[in-house]
Amino acid sequence: QSALTQPASVSGSPGQSITISCTGTSSDVGSYNVVSWYQHHPGKAPKLMIYEVSKRPSGVSNRFSGSKSGNTASLTISGLQAEDEADYYCCSYAGSSTVVFGGGTKLTVL
Amino acid sequence: QVQLVESGGGVVQPGRSLRLSCAAPGFTFSDYAMHWVRQAPGKGLEWVAVISYDGSKKYYADSVKGRFTISRDNSKNTVYLQMNSLRPEDTAVYYCAKEGTRIQLWWFDYWGQGTLVTVSS
Repeated sequence: QSALTQPASVSGSPGQSITISCTGTSSDVGSYNVVSWYQHHPGKAPKLMIYEVSKRPSGVSNRFSGSKSGNTASLTISGLQAEDEADYYCCSYAGSSTVVFGGGTKLTVL
Repeated sequence: QVQLVESGGGVVQPGRSLRLSCAAPGFTFSDYAMHWVRQAPGKGLEWVAVISYDGSKKYYADSVKGRFTISRDNSKNTVYLQMNSLRPEDTAVYYCAKEGTRIQLWWFDYWGQGTLVTVSS
């Protein structure tokens, strides 16, 4: 159950687009279309942003989108806003009824 | 609306036990699997355990297997995490999280605010 690999930090200016990668293996990300993404403001409850690779829950801005290629999933945020500044975590089913998270990416809006 | 409220955290000595609770009003609790996820200080999220909608199936991360037990009481809309033989590395904020679908597709649509567990002598 090794953690998925995410960049420790990314940054962008308001209005720009950024992409956060999430690299796993053929045993998790590569095998299942069950990748999800969570936004976490410290001290608050994590919030679901993307599920099943690219689906967006009701109420989540369409500025957030997800994709997957091979063992790597990606979260793209377009039209960056100050309120997007947070930690972002990817998550994947890893087989044998277990789940693995990424190490988290701190997004800074400059 | 959906609410998840954790309780039971605190400071405990290594080797001792603690039981966390998560009250979950606002949805048909007995239809959904429930998870515990933790975050150690300065670290990322780590999945801990899951229990099926009816309590018949339970699965754990290797790091807690044999020490932690997840359970639920559908009459009280509550899920529990019994933590035994606690270690300093179990120090974390513990979140309960609701499975996003009835058929358990391993993503979480609602989370609680978390409860802090500190294991220290």
